[in-house]
Amino acid sequence: AQSVTQPDIHITVSEGASLELRCNYSYGATPYLFWYVQSPGQGLQLLLKYFSGDTLVQGIKGFEAEFKRSQSSFNLRKPSVHWSDAAEYFCAVGAGSGGYNKLIFGAGTRLAVHP
Amino acid sequence: EAGVAQSPRYKIIEKRQSVAFWCNPISGHATLYWYQQILGQGPKLLIQFQNNGVVDDSQLPKDRFSAERLKGVDSTLKIQPAKLEDSAVYLCASSARVGWSTDTQYFGPGTRLTVL
Repeated sequence: AQSVTQPDIHITVSEGASLELRCNYSYGATPYLFWYVQSPGQGLQLLLKYFSGDTLVQGIKGFEAEFKRSQSSFNLRKPSVHWSDAAEYFCAVGAGSGGYNKLIFGAGTRLAVHP
Repeated sequence: EAGVAQSPRYKIIEKRQSVAFWCNPISGHATLYWYQQILGQGPKLLIQFQNNGVVDDSQLPKDRFSAERLKGVDSTLKIQPAKLEDSAVYLCASSARVGWSTDTQYFGPGTRLTVL
């Protein structure tokens, strides 16, 4: 069965420090992978997505993610974190067949940023 | 371009009462999704519509939950009767095309339901 694991429930970093959020997936075929961010009281906003091709994907707000098939991972990175990046981050895999799709989400990683 | 609209934003009810949520997707989007997000968990798909037809409701508790999408636009999700474990944020999302797994899903702000 398809699944997504985000090993870190909560991460705290200092403003200006680098960030890496981990994501591991389980999916039988070539995965479609997504990272979403959710700020308090807001819906989910797409940061980036991977379907094929270059395994390093650039997204909005300075985020990037790297797909590693051998490790079944799709980790999210940012070289320098800003206080406004404090939010919850969700990794998801697109699953489905027969002409429909759904997202299977991980449990999320809550990011806190120290000034 | 207007985003996905949901109402109400917050709802508090007693158990065994009924409640309904409304969603207006992005104009022209063919596919509409309802997700349930319990505190501390990621969103879980409840039901997916393509135009006004249901294509996946495998995780919808059909004894108490129902949903419809009239004329392939707006959608309502109803719970009757509500249980304590239904306390969650209910997210509506839409995507442009039918059957494209690569399409971005755009999410509304959600409705936070508290069942007492």
